[in-house]
Amino acid sequence: GAVVSQHPSWVICKSGTSVKIECRSLDFQATTMFWYRQFPKQSLMLMATSNEGSKATYEQGVEKDKFLINHASLTLSTLTVTSAHPEDSSFYICSARPPVGAVYGYTFGSGTRLTVV
Amino acid sequence: RKEVEQDPGPFNVPEGATVAFNCTYSNSASQSFFWYRQDCRKEPKLLMSVYSSGNEDGRFTAQLNRASQYISLLIRDSKLSDSATYLCVVSPRGGGNTPLVFGKGTRLSVIA
Repeated sequence: GAVVSQHPSWVICKSGTSVKIECRSLDFQATTMFWYRQFPKQSLMLMATSNEGSKATYEQGVEKDKFLINHASLTLSTLTVTSAHPEDSSFYICSARPPVGAVYGYTFGSGTRLTVV
Repeated sequence: RKEVEQDPGPFNVPEGATVAFNCTYSNSASQSFFWYRQDCRKEPKLLMSVYSSGNEDGRFTAQLNRASQYISLLIRDSKLSDSATYLCVVSPRGGGNTPLVFGKGTRLSVIA
């Protein structure tokens, strides 16, 4: 089945530092990946759509200069939280949809729990 | 109005009970519908897709009413392992580049 590997699973960082989160599609090519954020007891909110070889599309209210997305290959998308602040502490999760015709639909990474202290 | 709205929950039910979750969506052009399950501090996992004709998978039955823009999930003979948050999820349109839209989720606790 389709697998998306996300690392790290959790990270604690100091305010002002940057954190990079990676998502890799292991057995399929993902031209598009989605990045979500989930605060406690809230729904997953789409942050941005990552397209291989082009600029990401950010949702309204998401700072593109703060949340840097790079999708340099068909199997890897990265999200970098720059100059992290405590309010950035959240559960970040990526998702991809395997190509048309694949048996499986949307698949998710295992998520990254970010705590900024 | 939120794009996807669900019962607020939480639902606390005894083992063996039948429980129903409801969901409404605002975008009438939505094409695909799903129920996902999310355990605490974990990623969502697909429970089942929802089709217009209704579909069943073991103890789980999902139904869709496009006219009312309403989706439901019925769980029969609840098990302790069913305890989780159930997310109603909608895809606004077809195509692999369309992100999913998630409801806030309804928490279910099945009690022995």
